Amino acid sequence: DVKVTQSSRYLVKRTGEKVFLECVQDMDHENMFWYRQDPGLGLRLIYFSYDVKMKEKGDIPEGYSVSREKKERFSLILESASTNQTSMYLCASSPGGSPNEKLFFGSGTQLSVL
Amino acid sequence: GENVEQHPSTLSVQEGDSAVIKCTYSDSASNYFPWYKQELGKRPQLIIDIRSNVGEKKDQRIAVTLNKTAKHFSLHITETQPEDSAVYFCAAVTGYALNFGKGTSLLVTP
Repeated sequence: DVKVTQSSRYLVKRTGEKVFLECVQDMDHENMFWYRQDPGLGLRLIYFSYDVKMKEKGDIPEGYSVSREKKERFSLILESASTNQTSMYLCASSPGGSPNEKLFFGSGTQLSVL
Repeated sequence: GENVEQHPSTLSVQEGDSAVIKCTYSDSASNYFPWYKQELGKRPQLIIDIRSNVGEKKDQRIAVTLNKTAKHFSLHITETQPEDSAVYFCAAVTGYALNFGKGTSLLVTP
């Protein structure tokens, strides 16, 4: 069974802090993604990566950056956290290729920025 | 990017009835259309998908139909059960990125 693990289930940070959200997958997947989920807005893509050290902006990249130094790990970085970044963050991975098929999601990190 | 619209946002049906959720997309290059189910407090999971060269696909009580000309696709759940209660997301895929609809909260009442 594919396992996508997010480092924290709940996280509370203060405005202006630098925040790291970590995601690890154990199935040698090529593609990895970061989404944020807000009530009524669905799942919105922040960034994705289709290879090590490669990254592409999604629909809402402002205020975020990512890092993929190893194939299994994809990190989301909030350079200076703001209250409007309070949200559920979901990491996902998929085997690879195009079209991208069958995402496997992590269990999410609920981030609160105070 | 791709714009995916999903309707309705909430849907309440009685156990045993059918439920239909509809999505439209804007990018004619989209070629893969998955549906994800997210139960309360859990992660989204793929339940069914369809590729652009297929018009309909069925898996037990769930089916998906695709009309490429009209750029819309639908999820059909028959004989609904309380465990079908969840949020359902459609998506359209062009290349690497999935673009999701905003979700439909389905409630099946006994």
